[in-house]
Amino acid sequence: NAGVTQTPKFRILKIGQSMTLQCAQDMNHNYMYWYRQDPGMGLKLIYYSVGAGITDKGEVPNGYNVSRSTTEDFPLRLELAAPSQTSVYFCASSYSSFQPQHFGDGTRLSIL
Amino acid sequence: EDQVTQSPEALRLQEGESSSLNCSYTVSGLRGLFWYRQDPGKGPEFLFTLYSAGEEKEKERLKATLTKKESFLHITAPKPEDSATYLCAVQAGQGAQKLVFGQGTRLTINP
Repeated sequence: NAGVTQTPKFRILKIGQSMTLQCAQDMNHNYMYWYRQDPGMGLKLIYYSVGAGITDKGEVPNGYNVSRSTTEDFPLRLELAAPSQTSVYFCASSYSSFQPQHFGDGTRLSIL
Repeated sequence: EDQVTQSPEALRLQEGESSSLNCSYTVSGLRGLFWYRQDPGKGPEFLFTLYSAGEEKEKERLKATLTKKESFLHITAPKPEDSATYLCAVQAGQGAQKLVFGQGTRLTINP
Protein backbone atom coordinates (compact mmCIF):
# COMPACT_ATOMS: atom_id res chain seq x y z
CA ASN A 1 0.00 0.00 0.00
CA ALA A 2 1.17 3.51 -0.81
CA GLY A 3 -0.41 5.04 2.33
CA VAL A 4 -0.35 8.85 2.20
CA THR A 5 1.27 10.34 -0.90
CA GLN A 6 2.26 14.00 -1.11
CA THR A 7 3.36 15.87 -4.22
CA PRO A 8 5.55 17.67 -4.99
CA LYS A 9 8.37 16.79 -2.58
CA PHE A 10 10.13 20.12 -3.06
CA ARG A 11 9.08 23.47 -4.46
CA ILE A 12 10.42 27.01 -4.63
CA LEU A 13 7.90 29.82 -5.11
CA LYS A 14 8.24 33.54 -5.57
CA ILE A 15 6.38 35.92 -3.28
CA GLY A 16 2.82 36.40 -4.50
CA GLN A 17 2.63 33.16 -6.49
CA SER A 18 0.02 30.50 -5.80
CA MET A 19 0.22 26.74 -5.73
CA THR A 20 -1.59 23.61 -4.64
CA LEU A 21 -0.01 20.92 -2.50
CA GLN A 22 -1.48 17.54 -3.32
CA CYS A 23 -2.30 14.80 -0.83
CA ALA A 24 -3.82 11.42 -1.58
CA GLN A 25 -4.46 8.38 0.63
CA ASP A 26 -5.44 4.87 -0.39
CA MET A 27 -6.50 3.55 3.03
CA ASN A 28 -10.15 4.64 2.81
CA HIS A 29 -9.64 6.94 5.79
CA ASN A 30 -12.40 9.40 6.65
CA TYR A 31 -10.23 11.95 8.44
CA MET A 32 -7.49 13.96 6.77
CA TYR A 33 -5.23 16.70 8.14
CA TRP A 34 -2.69 19.29 7.00
CA TYR A 35 0.18 20.37 9.26
CA ARG A 36 3.17 22.63 8.88
CA GLN A 37 6.48 22.02 10.65
CA ASP A 38 8.97 24.83 11.20
CA PRO A 39 12.53 24.22 12.49
CA GLY A 40 12.59 23.60 16.24
CA MET A 41 8.82 23.80 16.44
CA GLY A 42 6.11 21.22 16.77
CA LEU A 43 3.70 20.43 13.98
CA LYS A 44 0.86 22.95 13.74
CA LEU A 45 -2.56 21.97 12.38
CA ILE A 46 -3.66 24.08 9.41
CA TYR A 47 -6.93 22.46 8.27
CA TYR A 48 -8.66 19.15 8.71
CA SER A 49 -11.54 17.21 7.16
CA VAL A 50 -13.83 14.59 8.67
CA GLY A 51 -15.17 13.42 5.32
CA ALA A 52 -15.79 14.40 1.72
CA GLY A 53 -17.32 17.88 1.52
CA ILE A 54 -16.53 18.73 5.17
CA THR A 55 -13.53 20.83 6.18
CA ASP A 56 -12.66 23.00 9.17
CA LYS A 57 -9.90 25.31 10.37
CA GLY A 58 -7.09 24.24 12.62
CA GLU A 59 -4.67 26.35 14.63
CA VAL A 60 -2.96 28.27 11.77
CA PRO A 61 -5.35 28.51 8.76
CA ASN A 62 -4.59 32.05 7.54
CA GLY A 63 -3.23 32.15 4.00
CA TYR A 64 -4.42 28.66 3.12
CA ASN A 65 -7.51 27.03 1.66
CA VAL A 66 -8.62 23.42 1.34
CA SER A 67 -11.29 21.39 -0.37
CA ARG A 68 -12.27 17.75 -0.17
CA SER A 69 -14.37 16.48 -3.04
CA THR A 70 -13.40 12.80 -2.63
CA THR A 71 -12.45 10.54 0.28
CA GLU A 72 -8.98 10.01 -1.18
CA ASP A 73 -7.78 13.55 -1.91
CA PHE A 74 -7.24 16.61 0.28
CA PRO A 75 -5.37 19.39 -1.55
CA LEU A 76 -3.99 22.46 0.23
CA ARG A 77 -4.03 25.74 -1.67
CA LEU A 78 -1.64 28.63 -1.00
CA GLU A 79 -2.82 31.95 -2.38
CA LEU A 80 -0.40 34.89 -2.62
CA ALA A 81 2.59 33.07 -1.12
CA ALA A 82 4.52 34.91 1.62
CA PRO A 83 7.99 34.19 3.10
CA SER A 84 6.29 33.23 6.40
CA GLN A 85 4.82 30.21 4.60
CA THR A 86 8.27 28.71 4.04
CA SER A 87 7.96 25.41 5.87
CA VAL A 88 7.61 21.65 5.56
CA TYR A 89 4.00 20.63 5.00
CA PHE A 90 2.69 17.25 6.11
CA CYS A 91 -0.57 15.60 5.22
CA ALA A 92 -1.99 12.88 7.47
CA SER A 93 -5.04 10.64 7.58
CA SER A 94 -6.83 8.45 10.10
CA TYR A 95 -9.75 6.05 9.94
CA SER A 96 -11.50 7.64 12.90
CA SER A 97 -10.88 10.23 15.59
CA PHE A 98 -9.58 7.44 17.85
CA GLN A 99 -7.13 5.83 15.45
CA PRO A 100 -3.55 7.06 15.00
CA GLN A 101 -2.74 9.38 12.14
CA HIS A 102 -0.61 8.17 9.24
CA PHE A 103 1.65 10.81 7.70
CA GLY A 104 3.07 11.41 4.26
CA ASP A 105 6.73 12.32 3.76
CA GLY A 106 6.05 16.02 3.35
CA THR A 107 6.44 18.85 0.86
CA ARG A 108 9.36 21.19 1.46
CA LEU A 109 8.32 24.66 0.34
CA SER A 110 10.54 27.73 0.09
CA ILE A 111 9.15 31.16 -0.75
CA LEU A 112 11.69 33.70 -1.90
CA GLU B 1 -4.76 26.61 25.86
CA ASP B 2 -3.46 23.08 25.37
CA GLN B 3 0.33 22.87 25.60
CA VAL B 4 2.97 20.17 25.20
CA THR B 5 6.62 20.57 26.23
CA GLN B 6 9.27 17.98 25.53
CA SER B 7 12.65 17.68 27.22
CA PRO B 8 15.48 17.54 26.59
CA GLU B 9 15.59 19.18 23.13
CA ALA B 10 18.48 16.93 22.18
CA LEU B 11 20.05 13.86 23.77
CA ARG B 12 23.21 12.02 22.80
CA LEU B 13 23.78 8.52 24.20
CA GLN B 14 26.24 5.72 23.73
CA GLU B 15 24.92 2.46 22.35
CA GLY B 16 23.48 0.45 25.23
CA GLU B 17 23.05 3.49 27.51
CA SER B 18 19.42 3.60 28.66
CA SER B 19 17.57 6.88 29.22
CA SER B 20 14.16 8.56 29.21
CA LEU B 21 12.51 11.34 27.23
CA ASN B 22 9.92 13.55 28.91
CA CYS B 23 6.65 14.99 27.59
CA SER B 24 4.80 17.38 29.91
CA TYR B 25 1.31 18.50 28.97
CA THR B 26 -1.49 20.76 30.07
CA VAL B 27 -4.80 19.95 28.46
CA SER B 28 -8.45 20.04 29.39
CA GLY B 29 -9.98 16.63 28.90
CA LEU B 30 -7.18 14.41 27.61
CA ARG B 31 -8.48 11.88 25.10
CA GLY B 32 -5.13 10.42 24.15
CA LEU B 33 -1.37 10.98 24.17
CA PHE B 34 0.58 9.89 21.11
CA TRP B 35 4.27 9.17 20.54
CA TYR B 36 5.72 9.38 17.04
CA ARG B 37 9.19 8.81 15.62
CA GLN B 38 10.46 11.06 12.82
CA ASP B 39 13.51 10.31 10.70
CA PRO B 40 15.23 13.10 8.72
CA GLY B 41 13.31 13.96 5.56
CA LYS B 42 10.38 11.72 6.51
CA GLY B 43 6.97 12.10 8.03
CA PRO B 44 6.21 11.08 11.62
CA GLU B 45 5.73 7.37 12.20
CA PHE B 46 3.26 6.24 14.86
CA LEU B 47 4.64 4.44 17.92
CA PHE B 48 2.11 4.45 20.79
CA THR B 49 -1.19 5.80 22.06
CA LEU B 50 -1.83 6.15 25.80
CA TYR B 51 -5.29 6.96 27.11
CA SER B 52 -5.22 7.03 30.91
CA ALA B 53 -2.82 7.61 33.80
CA GLY B 54 -0.95 4.46 34.76
CA GLU B 55 -1.07 2.99 31.29
CA GLU B 56 2.14 1.56 29.79
CA LYS B 57 2.96 0.29 26.29
CA GLU B 58 6.08 -1.41 24.96
CA LYS B 59 7.62 -2.00 21.57
CA GLU B 60 11.08 -3.54 21.27
CA ARG B 61 13.45 -1.23 23.22
CA LEU B 62 10.81 1.46 23.81
CA LYS B 63 8.34 1.78 26.66
CA ALA B 64 5.88 4.65 27.05
CA THR B 65 4.21 5.55 30.35
CA LEU B 66 1.58 8.12 31.29
CA THR B 67 0.72 10.13 34.40
CA LYS B 68 -1.82 12.92 34.81
CA LYS B 69 0.78 15.57 33.90
CA GLU B 70 3.45 13.88 31.80
CA SER B 71 4.54 10.95 29.73
CA PHE B 72 7.91 9.27 29.51
CA LEU B 73 9.45 7.38 26.65
CA HIS B 74 12.00 4.98 28.12
CA ILE B 75 14.68 3.65 25.81
CA THR B 76 16.46 0.53 27.02
CA ALA B 77 19.86 -0.49 25.62
CA PRO B 78 19.43 1.69 22.51
CA LYS B 79 21.05 0.95 19.16
CA PRO B 80 22.23 3.46 16.51
CA GLU B 81 19.08 2.76 14.48
CA ASP B 82 17.02 4.26 17.32
CA SER B 83 18.48 7.66 16.40
CA ALA B 84 15.58 9.92 15.37
CA THR B 85 13.42 12.78 16.59
CA TYR B 86 10.69 11.62 18.95
CA LEU B 87 7.48 13.62 18.97
CA CYS B 88 4.77 13.71 21.60
CA ALA B 89 1.23 14.93 20.88
CA VAL B 90 -2.00 15.22 22.85
CA GLN B 91 -5.59 14.98 21.73
CA ALA B 92 -8.24 16.85 23.67
CA GLY B 93 -11.85 17.84 23.24
CA GLN B 94 -14.51 16.24 21.13
CA GLY B 95 -14.74 15.54 17.45
CA ALA B 96 -11.82 15.26 15.06
CA GLN B 97 -8.36 14.28 16.29
CA LYS B 98 -6.80 17.75 16.47
CA LEU B 99 -3.36 16.92 17.81
CA VAL B 100 -1.16 19.42 19.66
CA PHE B 101 2.49 18.50 19.22
CA GLY B 102 5.56 19.17 21.32
CA GLN B 103 8.72 20.42 19.63
CA GLY B 104 10.37 16.99 19.77
CA THR B 105 13.50 15.43 21.25
CA ARG B 106 16.35 14.73 18.85
CA LEU B 107 17.98 11.48 19.97
CA THR B 108 21.42 10.39 18.73
CA ILE B 109 22.86 6.98 19.61
CA ASN B 110 26.58 6.68 19.03
CA PRO B 111 28.04 3.22 18.28
